[in-house]
Amino acid sequence: GAGVSQSPSNKVTEKGKDVELRCDPISGHTALYWYRQSLGQGLEFLIYFQGNSAPDKSGLPSDRFSAERTGGSVSTLTIQRTQQEDSAVYLCASSLAQDKITEAFFGQGTRLTVV
Amino acid sequence: DAKTTQPPSMDCAEGRAANLPCNHSTISGNEYVYWYRQIHSQGPQYIIHGLKNNETNEMASLIITEDRKSSTLILPHATLRDTAVYYCIANPRSSNTGKLIFGQGTTLQVKP
Repeated sequence: GAGVSQSPSNKVTEKGKDVELRCDPISGHTALYWYRQSLGQGLEFLIYFQGNSAPDKSGLPSDRFSAERTGGSVSTLTIQRTQQEDSAVYLCASSLAQDKITEAFFGQGTRLTVV
Repeated sequence: DAKTTQPPSMDCAEGRAANLPCNHSTISGNEYVYWYRQIHSQGPQYIIHGLKNNETNEMASLIITEDRKSSTLILPHATLRDTAVYYCIANPRSSNTGKLIFGQGTTLQVKP
């Protein structure tokens, strides 16, 4: 596709369940970001993948959160034992970054609701 | 990464220029100034970036002061569709050390 694709667009889950959120970046983009945005709040950085380097996980709020990026393309953000405070829009972005950051393109997000 | 400071909100009349300020007094020599915006219920959208020279593209102009401690994003003829949250970010250009960290931004309300 032409842009960053995220799935599902909406997810409702019960407290305590695990969820997986998927991001398909723009083809050829080596940098991939995950952010989350709670209602009425700003964008909270979660994790950053750049090429084959070890990901920057400094924004992950707890060990219930993890992410992987397989084959340098698709990324999955996993939240284990979901809590109500995990409810937010989870946004993925990618950029064509080799030795430099270029503009990041964002997906439309996955709206996660934990009930 | 340099911290940026923006006013929480601004209003602008439709058709007039919108001038959005950003302070980045601790910016270092290798950090660029990036601007993004987020229209309600959409993902953020890149607008423009610059190092020290003024920049212009089809969306906006970026004016950076000579000491690089502040900048202004200019939307020359604001429309209702420009109503959004505008984020100013100071970030190294190197992908090995930089990641985009968003602050609270400025909510721009364009009024008819």
